[in-house]
Amino acid sequence: AQTVTQSQPEMSVQEAETVTLSCTYDTSENNYYLFWYKQPPSRQMILVIRQEAYKQQNATENRFSVNFQKAAKSFSLKISDSQLGDTAMYFCAFMKLQGAQKLVFGQGTRLTINP
Amino acid sequence: DAGITQSPRHKVTETGTPVTLRCHQTENHRYMYWYRQDPGHGLRLIHYSYGVKDTDKGEVSDGYSVSRSKTEDFLLTLESATSSQTSVYFCAISESQPFNQPQHFGDGTRLSIL
Repeated sequence: AQTVTQSQPEMSVQEAETVTLSCTYDTSENNYYLFWYKQPPSRQMILVIRQEAYKQQNATENRFSVNFQKAAKSFSLKISDSQLGDTAMYFCAFMKLQGAQKLVFGQGTRLTINP
Repeated sequence: DAGITQSPRHKVTETGTPVTLRCHQTENHRYMYWYRQDPGHGLRLIHYSYGVKDTDKGEVSDGYSVSRSKTEDFLLTLESATSSQTSVYFCAISESQPFNQPQHFGDGTRLSIL
């Protein structure tokens, strides 16, 4: 079975700073997907970024980028120039490539951006 | 936004009563999922469906049943609710192709069992 671990329950940074959220996972699969979801106080689950394990290049979406280290089974999220609207819970998630597209989530990191 | 509607949005009920949560989609997606969200656990999969009348268990399925009689509707039932089932419940949908399409989530149902 796959497991996903987010070791930082809470983080807090000042607006405009850069912050990195950590995620590690355990799997015996070779091909899979990894995701970061954002959950603001509105409770919506919003996809931030995704990474295919077979791609060596790290995914980037505007101010959001990942550092994917397949051998180390690490998948961190970097938020550059953080904004007040980035305040949210962030979840790392794993998905196998075969069968039903079930997500396995980490415990979440509560990120607060301070003005 | 993906067309997913969860009902009700909030519900308070008593231990031992049956509860049914509904997820309705307008996207005609093949896969539908029910997750529960609890502090310290993230989201955990309860049950999922890969087609009409085709369902399977997830990680935390004990005490829950599901049904999918139409592509657009996926029902989650707590036959006899317990306080440990107090949680926020999310429905999600996804399409099978192309494979890397992400799941889209509903807005959640907050369920309190007293």
